[in-house]
Amino acid sequence: DIQMAQSPSTLSASVGDSVTITCRASQSITNWLAWYQQKPGKAPKVLIYKASILESGVPSRFSGSGSGTEFTLTISSLQPDDFATYYCQQYSFYPLTFAGGTKVEIK
Amino acid sequence: QVHLVQSGAEVKKPGASVKVSCKASGYTFSTYIIHWVRQAPGQRLEWMGWINAGGGNTKYSQEFQGRVTITRDTSASTAYIEVSSLRSEDMAVYYCARDRGRDGYNHFDYWGQGTLVTVSS
Repeated sequence: DIQMAQSPSTLSASVGDSVTITCRASQSITNWLAWYQQKPGKAPKVLIYKASILESGVPSRFSGSGSGTEFTLTISSLQPDDFATYYCQQYSFYPLTFAGGTKVEIK
Repeated sequence: QVHLVQSGAEVKKPGASVKVSCKASGYTFSTYIIHWVRQAPGQRLEWMGWINAGGGNTKYSQEFQGRVTITRDTSASTAYIEVSSLRSEDMAVYYCARDRGRDGYNHFDYWGQGTLVTVSS
């Protein structure tokens, strides 16, 4: 199975900060990677797919990059609505796998 | 617009089975794949399997092979997941999610609201 790892597991930041989350795959997944945002008690919501394509309706302050085994999600100017947990997921190989998540907290 | 609406919370005893439904609306149900993903308390999301809503073919994670059955009723635009021989580790929120494409190698663009399954004696 492809192991997915995210860092950091928790991130404290202030409104207006730029933050970056890293996701690593145990082997190359080309660019078959998605980023999801999840708020407490809610289902995940896709932000980015194919590593760097912004899902329709998602604010442009979210961006994704990377290929192969290393990927990043950047939020350029953190807004109050962005405090949530973020997960990356690979869909290159079965079983599909998710990383453990990064919780973005208010500093 | 697209909606996936799941059935309500369930409480089951160890060894029992549970069946969760996922009713789709706002698109042609039979032209997409529906995945099932679960999330135990404080744990990462875990993919369980999918069903091609048109052809009815399925794919399961080896982790759940033999204990999970995914079905669909095209006339009701509804997908189902049944988990048998429940144990405490199966206590989780179960989500259905739509595959963006039609081959199972895509991200999930719409999700159900989740169904909490509690396993307790």
